[in-house]
Amino acid sequence: DTAVSQTPKYLVTQMGNDKSIKCEQNLGHDTMYWYKQDSKKFLKIMFSYNNKELIINETVPNRFSPKSPDKAHLNLHINSLELGDSAVYFCASSQGPSGKGNQPQHFGDGTRLSIL
Amino acid sequence: AQSVTQPDIHITVSEGASLELRCNYSYGATPYLFWYVQSPGQGLQLLLKYFSGDTLVQGIKGFEAEFKRSQSSFNLRKPSVHWSDAAEYFCAVGPGATDSWGKLQFGAGTQVVVTP
Repeated sequence: DTAVSQTPKYLVTQMGNDKSIKCEQNLGHDTMYWYKQDSKKFLKIMFSYNNKELIINETVPNRFSPKSPDKAHLNLHINSLELGDSAVYFCASSQGPSGKGNQPQHFGDGTRLSIL
Repeated sequence: AQSVTQPDIHITVSEGASLELRCNYSYGATPYLFWYVQSPGQGLQLLLKYFSGDTLVQGIKGFEAEFKRSQSSFNLRKPSVHWSDAAEYFCAVGPGATDSWGKLQFGAGTQVVVTP
């Protein structure tokens, strides 16, 4: 009964490959997010979807493409992986966008992506 | 846009001693403020939040935080730390009540080490 679940937990792959990370939340939340946490633990938002609509799209290479088939799922596809993509990617969800309501975010346990 | 600073990258504290983690924010209006904790290999867990009202906020695990508008601060405190409090702590600031889509800005984090 995990609230926000991400798969896989670990992902080791070679440069140039294409990979996807999946995220599902069973909290009934409207808004989902993808964050990147670098090796210094700095957490930066990448994307946010509200009811399947993209509302935040930070300065992220277009090799990264989010997809939200429904409001309970937000997947992240990465093309042509580069060494600098190595990081921990966190999915999160909230009842509404954090800036439009008093809604804290619930985080998954992260996907540790390592590029060889 | 809002920003947040956590001046202390690393804090070591003895078990049973008190703990205070500093957080300073920059924002033109009253922001939404959050403290999250990240245990090793885990996602972020919300400790407490401030939106309005009483400036002293109680959270989970015995933590509290105080919003001081004059100092643009939202420091986190715990009177007596336990070994299980060893973790990374993140302060986050949201844009407050607004009609536009907002996002959370996270601080760089403070790593807390608890010694016997």
